[in-house]
Amino acid sequence: EVQLLESGGGLVQPGGSLRLSCAASGFTFSSYAMSWVRQAPGKGLEWVSAINNNGGSTYYADSVKGRFTISRDNSMDKLYLQMNSLRAEDTAVYYCAKYVNTYGYSFDIWGQGTMVTVSS
Amino acid sequence: SYDLTQPLSVSVALGQTARITCGGNNIGSKNVHWYQQRPGQAPVLVIYSGSNRPSGIPERFSGSNSGKTATLTISRAQAGDEADYYCQVWDSNTAFFGGGTKLTV
Repeated sequence: EVQLLESGGGLVQPGGSLRLSCAASGFTFSSYAMSWVRQAPGKGLEWVSAINNNGGSTYYADSVKGRFTISRDNSMDKLYLQMNSLRAEDTAVYYCAKYVNTYGYSFDIWGQGTMVTVSS
Repeated sequence: SYDLTQPLSVSVALGQTARITCGGNNIGSKNVHWYQQRPGQAPVLVIYSGSNRPSGIPERFSGSNSGKTATLTISRAQAGDEADYYCQVWDSNTAFFGGGTKLTV
């Protein structure tokens, strides 16, 4: 079964750091680009970052550029999001998602999400 | 930045047809994807590249895209279709989502 499982969320103070992980299973992780998408409480979906299959290209939303870093370890089938200088507005459920050109680069598989709360 | 405009809410009677629109500049030239998100759950892809259904998605779900508007159509609406629906495109290596539409059945 194709599965993505996020972890690492929690409560952090403004200005703090957190590292999210996403463990992939059921597919050849190294063949696919991956992304992080977040959803603030009661709000819509917001794309955060993306990385190509070998980690050589990364992309960020303007709202997180310079503070967040996406990376991957294909030997471990894991995706990461290092979040620094966190702000209250970063509070959200963070989803990792796989996307593939076969499906027009849509996000065809999503994890269940991990909650990040930035508050003092 | 690329703005995608969706109605906040759409209502449909049980068994009838719901249409959810997504507007954007020259959206007809883009691959538009649609996601369903039930309360407390992760989004699920229901339509990709404008009109294609992933495996496992009922034929009741269909999509179209032309000009300035992409449309998700849900035929013979069921209670289980009640959810938030989001359109999404890529532009300059950035993914953009519409604000979401709450479908009430």
